[in-house]
Amino acid sequence: ELKVEQNPLFLSMQEGKNYTIYCNYSTTSDRLYWYRQDPGKSLESLFVLLSNGAVKQEGRLMASLDTKARLSTLHITAAVHDLSATYFCAVDEINSGGSNYKLTFGKGTLLTVNP
Amino acid sequence: GAVVSQHPSRVICKSGTSVKIECRSLDFQATTMFWYRQFPKQSLMLMATSNEGSKATYEQGVEKDKFLINHASLTLSTLTVTSAHPEDSSFYICSAFDSYFGSNTEAFFGQGTRLTVV
Repeated sequence: ELKVEQNPLFLSMQEGKNYTIYCNYSTTSDRLYWYRQDPGKSLESLFVLLSNGAVKQEGRLMASLDTKARLSTLHITAAVHDLSATYFCAVDEINSGGSNYKLTFGKGTLLTVNP
Repeated sequence: GAVVSQHPSRVICKSGTSVKIECRSLDFQATTMFWYRQFPKQSLMLMATSNEGSKATYEQGVEKDKFLINHASLTLSTLTVTSAHPEDSSFYICSAFDSYFGSNTEAFFGQGTRLTVV
């Protein structure tokens, strides 16, 4: 059974600070996704990481993937209040036919950025 | 990106009644859609995989007779919660993968349905 572990689960930080959220997973996969969820809302896609060494950046967020270590990171640079949300990583299991099987999600990181 | 539309966004129903939730892929075809349930302050848990033209695949512990899934076309999957009880109150989210660049794919999510059973 695929396990996806995210840490920390709760993160309170001040504006202007940097921090990293970690996502470890237990199976060989080269497809990892990061999502943002605001209270009462559905998921918003942030990053799609599809190969070892992939690095993507959007604004103050940067995500990377190391498939050998089975680790992805979401780095926050100079946090602002608008980044307050819950962040999920998810790993894609691929079936024997090479098609998407299903996503398994981490527990999520509740990020609170304080002024 | 691709759009997945889910309806209704919010529904309140009485115990014992049934509720249908629709999930549509608006600008792409989806042979497979996924239904998730999310309880407050928890992560998303996959309930079932909806397969166009065939039976859905349910995750362990999910009652297939209670959560009926129909995927009658390449753009529509429905989830019907039958004989709903208060413990079925939750946030239900559907998703579908949109293929691009060959086998590379990205999952898109519907807006979610907040079900409250009273």
